[in-house]
Amino acid sequence: GAGVSQSPRYKVAKRGQDVALRCDPISGHVSLFWYQQALGQGPEFLTYFQNEAQLDKSGLPSDRFFAERPEGSVSTLKIQRTQQEDSAVYLCASSLNAGDYTGELFFGEGSRLTVL
Amino acid sequence: DQQVKQNSPSLSVQEGRISILNCDYTNSMFDYFLWYKKYPAEGPTFLISISSIKDKNEDGRFTVFLNKSAKHLSLHIVPSQPGDSAVYFCAPTGGNMLTFGGGTRLMVKP
Repeated sequence: GAGVSQSPRYKVAKRGQDVALRCDPISGHVSLFWYQQALGQGPEFLTYFQNEAQLDKSGLPSDRFFAERPEGSVSTLKIQRTQQEDSAVYLCASSLNAGDYTGELFFGEGSRLTVL
Repeated sequence: DQQVKQNSPSLSVQEGRISILNCDYTNSMFDYFLWYKKYPAEGPTFLISISSIKDKNEDGRFTVFLNKSAKHLSLHIVPSQPGDSAVYFCAPTGGNMLTFGGGTRLMVKP
């Protein structure tokens, strides 16, 4: 596709449920990022992939959060045993080059997760 | 400990006037600074950037100023247009990831 695509756009989960959020980056983009944006705040970094390698996962808030990008394209962010504090918009972004942080990131529309 | 602060959560400006959005940072390792714009229900989109070796970068109606000694940058929009109404994020970086401020909601009134 022309842009970064995320699904589902909206997800309501009961506390304790597992959820999986998908990101299709722009074709050929090497770098992929996940960000978490709580209501009224700026996006906060979760994790970074360069192709299939997860080079930085320092932003993942707990071991309930897991991300993968097995073939270096589509990525999935999985949250196990969801808690109410996990409610946020999860943004995926990709960029063409590796380590080129001066290049712009292209963001998807986000997946809004609400945990009841 | 917030590394990037946008102290004005909102700003209202009349169409045609100048909008000035401010951003302060604490991390001296930041060496590239980006501004992103976000409309409701959309992802952020890149607007303008500046390298730490410069103190000004201009692109049409948008100008970003960087004061490294004060660890402060600002985005100027002139003239402001109703279509500029959005949330603006300051996002500096010193490595692979961007660190976002909390955002400023700009409302441009016709």
